[in-house]
Amino acid sequence: DIQMTQSPFSLSASVGDRVTITCRASQTIGVYLNWYQQKPGKAPKLLMFAAFTLQSGVPSRFSGSGSGTQLTLTIDSLQPEDFATYYCQQSYSFPYTFGQGTKLEIK
Amino acid sequence: EVQLLESGGGLVQPGGSLRLSCAASGFAFSNYGMSWVRQAPGKGLEWVTYISGSGDTTYFADSVRGRFNISRDNSKNTLYLLMNNLRVEDTAVYYCAKQDFRGYLNFFDYWGQGALVAVSS
Repeated sequence: DIQMTQSPFSLSASVGDRVTITCRASQTIGVYLNWYQQKPGKAPKLLMFAAFTLQSGVPSRFSGSGSGTQLTLTIDSLQPEDFATYYCQQSYSFPYTFGQGTKLEIK
Repeated sequence: EVQLLESGGGLVQPGGSLRLSCAASGFAFSNYGMSWVRQAPGKGLEWVTYISGSGDTTYFADSVRGRFNISRDNSKNTLYLLMNNLRVEDTAVYYCAKQDFRGYLNFFDYWGQGALVAVSS
């Protein structure tokens, strides 16, 4: 199975900050990497697929980069609605696996 | 508008069984693979199982293989998860998720609201 390791586990930031979340895969996954946002009590929401393709309707302050075993999600100019938990997920092979999640909190 | 509506969750004793349903609307159901993803209380997301659009291909997480079964009725636009021999560690919110694809790349583009399954004596 492909293990996905996200860092940091939690992150404290202010409105307007730029933050980066990293996802490392235990083997190469190319760009078979998706990012989701989840708010408390809600279902996850797709932010980005194929490492850097923004899902329709997602603001352009979200961006993705990387390939292989290290991929990142960057949020420029944090907005109040961005404070949530973020998950990466590999779709390179079954079983699909998620990172442990990164909780983004307001400083 | 795509909608996924889970039902069938509840409280069950260890060793018991439960069947979840996911009613889909707003898209050509039979054209898309579907998955179940679960989230234990206060924990992260765990993919559970996948079924292809035709229903002839399935995959399972090791943690549920042999105990859970995924199926679909394309005439009813409904996805099912039959859970047998339930364990306390199966306690979670279970989400059904639609899979979209771009070539070989695939992702969960729509999720249901979730169904809570609690396994306890």
